[in-house]
Amino acid sequence: ETGVTQSPTHLIKTRGQQVTLRCSSQSGHNTVSWYQQALGQGPQFIFQYYREEENGRGNFPPRFSGLQFPNYSSELNVNALELDDSALYLCASSLSGGAYEQYFGPGTRLTVT
Amino acid sequence: ILNVEQSPQSLHVQEGDSTNFTCSFPSSNFYALHWYRWETAKSPEALFVMTLNGDEKKKGRISATLNTKEGYSYLYIKGSQPEDSATYLCAFNDYKLSFGAGTTVTVRA
Repeated sequence: ETGVTQSPTHLIKTRGQQVTLRCSSQSGHNTVSWYQQALGQGPQFIFQYYREEENGRGNFPPRFSGLQFPNYSSELNVNALELDDSALYLCASSLSGGAYEQYFGPGTRLTVT
Repeated sequence: ILNVEQSPQSLHVQEGDSTNFTCSFPSSNFYALHWYRWETAKSPEALFVMTLNGDEKKKGRISATLNTKEGYSYLYIKGSQPEDSATYLCAFNDYKLSFGAGTTVTVRA
């Protein structure tokens, strides 16, 4: 059984640029949730995708968007990057919508300069 | 925004000692509370999902209790070992996970 994987591991972007982060869900899971962890804080919920549809969104601006593909992998896109977007981005997969039994990937560390 | 708080923020424990720390959360509309263990450079690992008031769960030397009426959960580590060094996160489940900032445990050999 393959766990949750994320790519890339690290990346550095310049303010104003756009970035795409990728997540492959655990085998058999149809739901992916994305979280942002800023320094010194717990992970904050960005949004969730369930069977290719957005299924809940946290308090993040529209420049944070996502996609889920038929194989249930997912992308997180952030436009017009700001310095405060520097954080660890985690994805988690689960068997169904909601928050039960989420399995996390190792995260992508984004630095915006 | 749900207020989930963990205390202390960090603690240092001598190998062999036992320790515990707290997660507090809103006591209304409770569905479930999750505990995760997160080692540096690894993925957060699920420890417990707690749903019922008075729940006690155990995994090896780690155990947790739940009080939904007063809105808190304790996590206990018995006989701490260096491999227990990690950040322990709790998360309140209201259809999404709302995390606390974590308690970072460092076990000194």
